[in-house]
Amino acid sequence: GQNIDQPTEMTATEGAIVQINCTYQTSGFNGLFWYQQHAGEAPTFLSYNVLDGLEEKGRFSSFLSRSKGYSYLLLKELQMKDSASYLCAVTNDYKLSFGAGTTVTVRA
Amino acid sequence: NAGVTQTPKFRILKIGQSMTLQCTQDMNHNYMYWYRQDPGMGLKLIYYSVGAGITDKGEVPNGYNVSRSTTEDFPLRLELAAPSQTSVYFCASRRTSGRVDTQYFGPGTRLTVL
Repeated sequence: GQNIDQPTEMTATEGAIVQINCTYQTSGFNGLFWYQQHAGEAPTFLSYNVLDGLEEKGRFSSFLSRSKGYSYLLLKELQMKDSASYLCAVTNDYKLSFGAGTTVTVRA
Repeated sequence: NAGVTQTPKFRILKIGQSMTLQCTQDMNHNYMYWYRQDPGMGLKLIYYSVGAGITDKGEVPNGYNVSRSTTEDFPLRLELAAPSQTSVYFCASRRTSGRVDTQYFGPGTRLTVL
């Protein structure tokens, strides 16, 4: 079976840093995605981790530890436009399994 | 380059009606997917396809059917619509090559069954 856990909600202040954790227990693992989804819109790709370690892309970074079944998405220098839902997804061959998503609210 | 397109954007169905949700991609991707997303929830996989002529069930296939006659098109058929099928439906195509893996989503179809 697939079990992917993320916190439901997080709130942070503009300019701050927020870390969204994702833990997974799955029957197979190829890699882990992070997606951003604004209300009423489709998910958009943020990152894909295959190997352990940190990958940085501008203000967003994603970390993976395969031995611990753990990933996080780090959002730095938060902006109001970062208010959205962030989805963690695990790939196993052809399929993706998604967590329920973490709603991040950025306050001024 | 349009990416992944879906039609219609919105639809209201009566219980027992049928409809087809259209999905087309122009990126020549072999993998395509249908998901549904209920309010406040993550995406649930309905069906997927790894190439023309090949489809398989995901987590929640009951009440749906798919076909994949071409690489570009992956329609989702709802037979005998039920209120439980009220949801937002996303189609996606996927490009995977070694360590690079990206899934592109269409804009979604918002379906209400009354």
